[in-house]
Amino acid sequence: GNSVTQMEGPVTLSEEAFLTINCTYTATGYPSLFWYVQYPGEGLQLLLKATKADDKGSNKGFEATYRKETTSFHLEKGSVQVSDSAVYFCALKPSGGTSYGKLTFGQGTILTVHP
Amino acid sequence: DAGVIQSPRHEVTEMGQEVTLRCKPISGHNSLFWYRQTMMRGLELLIYFNNNVPIDDSGMPEDRFSAKMPNASFSTLKIQPSEPRDSAVYFCASSFQLATEQFFGPGTRLTVL
Repeated sequence: GNSVTQMEGPVTLSEEAFLTINCTYTATGYPSLFWYVQYPGEGLQLLLKATKADDKGSNKGFEATYRKETTSFHLEKGSVQVSDSAVYFCALKPSGGTSYGKLTFGQGTILTVHP
Repeated sequence: DAGVIQSPRHEVTEMGQEVTLRCKPISGHNSLFWYRQTMMRGLELLIYFNNNVPIDDSGMPEDRFSAKMPNASFSTLKIQPSEPRDSAVYFCASSFQLATEQFFGPGTRLTVL
């Protein structure tokens, strides 16, 4: 079956530090890959996505590249801000089959950024 | 524009009681998803609908859980009877089609005492 594995948190950084959150996946075919962010007390919001190999998704200074050869979709940001403190979820959606339309999420990584 | 609307935002009930969670998807969206989030199990998909028809309910934990979507603008998730282990945040999400971006509601935090 499909699965997503994220690096364990929590991750604590100082403002302006570089961020990497690792994500690897297991799936057949060519799934679409996503990063969602959840701020305290809110639902999940789509942060960025990539739909095919070597695509780079980017938004709000965050980037992630779909690496088929390493089945990875690591999230990066060059300079984090206090407002980036949230929980980040990596997810995949299959391109077809019986699981079509279903998002499979990683366990989430808590990020805390200190001033 | 209104996003996905869930009610109530918080629910505290006693074991054995019936609990009904409600969701109004974004207007024009044809797919609706119910998720449960806990510290132990993370984010789990419970059931999803397409054009008001349940497509996959394999994530529903047991017969105490049921979900309906009587029309395109309303869905319910019911737990009867509720148990303390049902305590979680329940999210509803909707999308224009199955393959498109899912938009999440703010969630309902359920506490079963």
